[in-house]
Amino acid sequence: EVQLVESGGGLVQPGGSLRLSCAASGFTFSSYWMHWVRQAPGKGLVWVSRINSDGSSTSYADSVKGRFTISRDNAKNTLYLQMNSLRAEDTAVYYCAPGREYSGYWGQGTLVTVSS
Amino acid sequence: SYELTQPLSVSVALGQTARITCGGNNIGSKNVHWYQQKPGQAPVLVIYRDSNRPSGIPERFSGSNSGNTATLTISRAQAGDEADYYCQVWDSSAYVFGTGTKVTVL
Repeated sequence: EVQLVESGGGLVQPGGSLRLSCAASGFTFSSYWMHWVRQAPGKGLVWVSRINSDGSSTSYADSVKGRFTISRDNAKNTLYLQMNSLRAEDTAVYYCAPGREYSGYWGQGTLVTVSS
Repeated sequence: SYELTQPLSVSVALGQTARITCGGNNIGSKNVHWYQQKPGQAPVLVIYRDSNRPSGIPERFSGSNSGNTATLTISRAQAGDEADYYCQVWDSSAYVFGTGTKVTVL
């Protein structure tokens, strides 16, 4: 059974940092591209970032470029998102999802709240 | 950047057919995927590559894609189909999501 468990969310002040993790199991993690997708309260899905299977290639949405860093540890079956210089508009549930052109599985998400 | 436009809401009578559109420039040349999301839950893939259903998704869900519009069709709508639906394409090595459609079953 595929499982994706996000963690690391919480309340952080503007300008602060958080590191999200996504622990994956039930599939060959090292073979899959991985994505972070976020959803602000009451809003739609927004793609944040993706990383290829061996971690050699990454891509970011313009809104987070230069502030967020996606990475992975294939030995630990874990995906990360380092988020720096957080802003109020980064407040959202963050989901991890495997796949290249689409994702058949999603985690339950972790809530990040940026507020003073 | 590529944009996908969906109607804000669609209403359908119980047992009838709902059609949710997803508009994009020459979207027919891309593969379109559809997700269902119920309140407080993660998205669930209901259609991939225009018209394919993942295992466990009822045959009542179908998809098509041509020209500038892709369509998700829900036949014989049930109360449990009430949810938000998002289309998605793969463009420039990134996911692009539609604006989302709230489906209400009357």
